[in-house]
Amino acid sequence: NAGVTQTPKFQVLKTGQSMTLQCAQDMNHNSMYWYRQDPGMGLRLIYYSASEGTTDKGEVPNGYNVSRLNKREFSLRLESAAPSQTSVYFCASRDYTTNEKLFFGSGTQLSVL
Amino acid sequence: AQRVTQPEKLLSVFKGAPVELKCNYSYSGSPELFWYVQYSRQRLQLLLRHISRESIKGFTADLNKGETSFHLKKPFAQEEDSAMYYCALFPGSSNTGKLIFGQGTTLQVKP
Repeated sequence: NAGVTQTPKFQVLKTGQSMTLQCAQDMNHNSMYWYRQDPGMGLRLIYYSASEGTTDKGEVPNGYNVSRLNKREFSLRLESAAPSQTSVYFCASRDYTTNEKLFFGSGTQLSVL
Repeated sequence: AQRVTQPEKLLSVFKGAPVELKCNYSYSGSPELFWYVQYSRQRLQLLLRHISRESIKGFTADLNKGETSFHLKKPFAQEEDSAMYYCALFPGSSNTGKLIFGQGTTLQVKP
C-alpha cells in the first residue's frame, strides 16, 4: 500500500516546454487534487476531481490541464511552461464520503527557466 | 468567501516555551478544521482535526466559532516540532471534498 505516488520528484523545464505530472493512489479514494506550494502563498488548489469522470478548476487553474484517467490516476499537464509555474506540486487524495483525511504525495519540485 | 488566514509566516521560540500558531477562518456554515504539518523532507500529513478532539504530539486546537479561530497550541515546544504548519478548512456544505489551506506558518524551535 504505497498511498499517493507522484512522478517525477524533480524536473527542470525551459520556458515553452510541456510536461505531465503523474499521480496515482491505491486507496480507492473518490477525490483527487493538485496543489502548488509557494513561499508565503501556502497551498493553492489548481484543479480537483471530486469523483472519477469529473474535474473542476481550483483557485489557480490558468496554464494547467488535468485528466482523471481512472479512479486511481490524476495527471496535471503544463502545455507551455512559464517561469511563474516554478513551484512544488502536490497531489492528494481523499474519500470525502467517509470523511477521510487528505493524503498527500511527496511532491514534485519544478523549475522553469 | 471561504478563507483561512494564518497571520504569522514565521514563529520562532525556544525549546520548552509555549507555542500558539494562529488560524482564523471565514465561513458562514459549520466548518471542519484541520491542522496539517510538513516536516523537513517529508510529505504533508494530518496533525489533528477538530472533530476528533484529540491531542497529537502534545498539540491541541480548539474551535472557537465566536472568534472564527482554530489556534494550535502546545505547552512546551520541542526541537522536533520545527516544521511548516498549515491550517485547513473543509466547507461542510461542499460535496467536493476540497480543502482550503492557509498560507502556512513555519515554526522554528531553538535549542
